[in-house]
This record gives sequence, structure tokens and C-alpha cells, in this order.
Amino acid sequence: NAGVMQNPRHLVRRRGQEARLRCSPMKGHSHVYWYRQLPEEGLKFMVYLQKENIIDESGMPKERFSAEFPKEGPSILRIQQVVRGDSAAYFCASSPRAGAGGTEAFFGQGTRLTVV
Amino acid sequence: QKEVEQNSGPLSVPEGAIASLNCTYSDRGSQSFFWYRQYSGKSPELIMSIYSNGDKEDGRFTAQLNKASQYVSLLIRDSQPSDSATYLCAVNEGRGSTLGRLYFGRGTQLTVWP
Repeated sequence: NAGVMQNPRHLVRRRGQEARLRCSPMKGHSHVYWYRQLPEEGLKFMVYLQKENIIDESGMPKERFSAEFPKEGPSILRIQQVVRGDSAAYFCASSPRAGAGGTEAFFGQGTRLTVV
Repeated sequence: QKEVEQNSGPLSVPEGAIASLNCTYSDRGSQSFFWYRQYSGKSPELIMSIYSNGDKEDGRFTAQLNKASQYVSLLIRDSQPSDSATYLCAVNEGRGSTLGRLYFGRGTQLTVWP
């Protein structure tokens, strides 16, 4: 039973390019969350998605960042026109459901984005 | 602004000792509480979840929750060098409906020395 799968594990982009990060949740999980971890900082929530729906994107910057979780295929976090400040580890987590109780979220291995 | 505060550490204990990690949270409506372990350069790994006041034990780990005091802790008994990691406290969005976002503390770095 595969865990949360993220790819690529490492991604290098030049300033101004686009970065695409992919996440396949655990089997049976329909809730996906993206978090960002900057060096020496804690995990910060970005966006929460279910299939074909964005439930909560309040943690995501208004510009350049977007996320989707299509009916078929992985969830995608897209960062357009990357800047050096976007360099971070981006983690995806999934859970079988949300709400009070039973909301254990399991994390993927992360994508380390470096903007040069 | 919902906040999760952890004792900043770093915490250093000898092998075989009990390591005590503490966490307080600001959202009185939070209902789910988690401890994650994160090794350097790796992803967070869920080690404990707790939803009710009191203690929950799993092997060498015990989580304690006191909702009245808005306090959750993790005890690691018989600490091993392999327990050396950063421990993250996470608390759910307290609206109690369908939102599953987690708020994380900045973590406590634990070192267990032989």
C-alpha cells in the first residue's frame, strides 16, 4: 500500500520559470493538503483540496500560485514566475476524511524547490 | 490568528531517560491533536494522535491532552539515539465541520545522547 507520492523530489528552476509539483494521495484518501516549509521555519498550510474542488486556499499567495486536484490524476501545485523566496520544501499530505476526529494526515516525501 | 507554541529547545537527554515535549494552542475549538517526528531533511512522520482529554499510550510514546488548559504533551520513555529528531505539534482547524487544515508549532529539536 503505497504512501503519499510526490514528484519530483528535487526541482531547480531559474527565476521567472514555472514550477509544477505533483502529489498522488494514499489509496482511499480523497483529501489533499499542501504545506510549505521554509528553512528554520515551521510547516505552513497552503491549500486543501478534494477531487475537483478547492476547499480552502486561504494559505496560498494570491498571485503566481495555483492548485488543482482533477478527477483523474495527481494533485498539482503550480508556481508561475518563480522567485528566490519560493525556494522551500513543499509537502503534500492526504487524509481519508476531514473534520473532528480521525483526521490523521500522512505526508509525502516532499519536493525541494530551489530557485536560482 | 491561531497559534501553536512549543518549548523551543533544543532538548537534550541521555539514552534511557524520559523526554518531555510540550505544546500549547490558542484555538479553544480545536478537537484533534497530533505529534509528528521529522528527521533532518525528511518529511514529517505521524507518531501520535489524540482527541480526548487524558493520556494515550503507544509503545514508548504517551500523549497527554488537557483541553481546559489548551495543552498537549508527548512523553518518550526509554529514549534512544534514534529518537533524535524535531518533534512537531499539530492542531486541527477548530471549526468542527469539514476543514482539516493543521496548524503546526515550529518544533522542538530533541537530541538523545548515548
